[in-house]
Amino acid sequence: EVHLVESGGGLVQPGESLRLSCTASGFTYSNYWMSWVRQAPGKGLEWVASIKGEGSEKHYIDSVKGRFTISRDNAKNSLFLQMDSLRAEDTAVYFCARLSRSATENYWGQGALVAVSS
Amino acid sequence: DVVMTQSPLSLPVTLGQPASISCRSSQSLVQSDGNSYLNWFQQRPGQSPRRLIYKVSNRDSGVPDRFSGSGSGTDFTLKISRVEAEDVGIYYCEQETQWPLTFGQGTKLEIK
Repeated sequence: EVHLVESGGGLVQPGESLRLSCTASGFTYSNYWMSWVRQAPGKGLEWVASIKGEGSEKHYIDSVKGRFTISRDNAKNSLFLQMDSLRAEDTAVYFCARLSRSATENYWGQGALVAVSS
Repeated sequence: DVVMTQSPLSLPVTLGQPASISCRSSQSLVQSDGNSYLNWFQQRPGQSPRRLIYKVSNRDSGVPDRFSGSGSGTDFTLKISRVEAEDVGIYYCEQETQWPLTFGQGTKLEIK
């Protein structure tokens, strides 16, 4: 059974940093693109970043380019999101997700809350 | 960026009646391989999103056949043939044809 478990969320002040982690199990982790998708309180879904299986290709939404870094450790079945220079508008639940363009099943974690406030 | 626009944003439906959600993209979602990478997600209250439909019209495993997707180019539709109580939630279309991936604003389905 596939599981994605996020950790590392919390309350930080504007300008501070936070690192989210996601631990995956139940599938051959290195074979899959992995993504972060966020949802601000009471708002819709917003894709944040994705990374290819071997880590060679990464994509980001413009609003986080230069501030967030997606990475992975395939030996530990882990996905990371390093978030620097956090802003109030980054406040959201961050989901770790195995998205797919094909019949391959999608999986989502339960989410980690990141709150940026002074 | 591809802008995804859903309508309606609120959808009150009587149990057992059909429901339909429209999604329009600002650019064609047809990729060079001929596929349109348009997905539909359901997010029930308090839960993580769940994909229902991929590549416009393909149901994910375990999704009831009362859910169907259709469309092409820039216009897409999610239909529920007979709404059940468990269908309450927010429905999102999403394109994966090009980066950045983008979602529609969401359509909140509620029971009348």
